Amino acid sequence: LAKTTQPISMDSYEGQEVNITCSHNNIATNDYITWYQQFPSQGPRFIIQGYKTKVTNEVASLFIPADRKSSTLSLPRVSLSDTAVYYCLVAPSRDYKLSFGAGTTVTVRA
Amino acid sequence: DADVTQTPRNRITKTGKRIMLECSQTKGHDRMYWYRQDPGLGLRLIYYSFDVKDINKGEISDGYSVSRQAQAKFSLSLESAIPNQTALYFCATSGTGRTGELFFGEGSRLTVL
Repeated sequence: LAKTTQPISMDSYEGQEVNITCSHNNIATNDYITWYQQFPSQGPRFIIQGYKTKVTNEVASLFIPADRKSSTLSLPRVSLSDTAVYYCLVAPSRDYKLSFGAGTTVTVRA
Repeated sequence: DADVTQTPRNRITKTGKRIMLECSQTKGHDRMYWYRQDPGLGLRLIYYSFDVKDINKGEISDGYSVSRQAQAKFSLSLESAIPNQTALYFCATSGTGRTGELFFGEGSRLTVL
């Protein structure tokens, strides 16, 4: 299973773009990359998923380089309500064991 | 109504007591998971199940057991609770795709005194 590594925390200000990079060096060929957002005392919420290149939805963008050994979640123009913990998860193609890392705490300040 | 429902939402118990946390889902998913969350440690996988006949240990299964009573129900038990099992517990479900999209319940906060 691919182990993921993310920064422990990041600080930002309202209106800025926040980029969180997750390292997953031993990702397998058909594994998917998925990102979640979690607010205090709530269950994590799916944000975005991707396999390669770039994926964009109404919430975020996900950039995956050709070697797929890392991925970057981009949150455009953050607001105070984007303060949360963000998790990167690599979904193994040959299993359904879904293990999370420690996540990145993003704090947005006014 | 929530697609993934956990009961109880909050529970305070004493060391040595048996505790069961229940999870039910209306999403029709086959895969169900139990995670534990402690401050600063992210989400750690306790057990996961593909169907009623398939139960698998996660990263921290010691001290826990599970029961998959039906496709829609997955229960987590602490046979003899201890204080370091005080945590927030989450149940989650996933469909048959391989993309890792999980749907979480609202969590069960357990305090063991």
